Amino acid sequence: AQTVTQSQPEMSVQEAETVTLSCTYDTSESDYYLFWYKQPPSRQMILVIRQEAYKQQNATENRFSVNFQKAAKSFSLKISDSQLGDAAMYFCAYRSNFGNEKLTFGTGTRLTIIP
Amino acid sequence: GAVVSQHPSRVICKSGTSVKIECRSLDFQATTMFWYRQFPKKSLMLMATSNEGSKATYEQGVEKDKFLINHASLTLSTLTVTSAHPEDSSFYICSARGQSDTQYFGPGTRLTVL
Repeated sequence: AQTVTQSQPEMSVQEAETVTLSCTYDTSESDYYLFWYKQPPSRQMILVIRQEAYKQQNATENRFSVNFQKAAKSFSLKISDSQLGDAAMYFCAYRSNFGNEKLTFGTGTRLTIIP
Repeated sequence: GAVVSQHPSRVICKSGTSVKIECRSLDFQATTMFWYRQFPKKSLMLMATSNEGSKATYEQGVEKDKFLINHASLTLSTLTVTSAHPEDSSFYICSARGQSDTQYFGPGTRLTVL
């Protein structure tokens, strides 16, 4: 079974600075998807970014980018120019591309933005 | 695009009653819908996966008879918590997947059982 590990329960960053959230996963599969979801205090899960494992190029969405290291099974999220609205729980998630479509989530990292 | 709604957003019920939660994909057809449960300050725990027109697939440890899931159309899935008890109090979240590989989440339903 796949597992997703987020080793940082809490992180904080000064507004306008850059922060990196860690995520590692364990799988024997070669074809899969990785996601970062954000859950603000409203508790609405919002997709931040996704990465397809067969793509070597790291995904980027505006101020959000990932560092995908397939061999190391690492998928970190970098948030540049942090804004107050980035404060939330961030969940890393894995999805196999075979059969079972379910998402396996990490335990989350709570990000605090310091004004 | 890719909006998922849930209704109700909050519900309080008495122990022993049943509660139905609706999950709708508003602007796409959801071939697959998922139901999660989230305890305070914890991650999401998948309860079941449902495909339109077929029986839901439940995760290990989830009681099928207690958490009834129906996915009658490509835009609607329902979760019914039968004979609810205080330990069923939680935050329930649905998600839906259409043609893309991404799950889009509803805003969640907070259930409180007295």
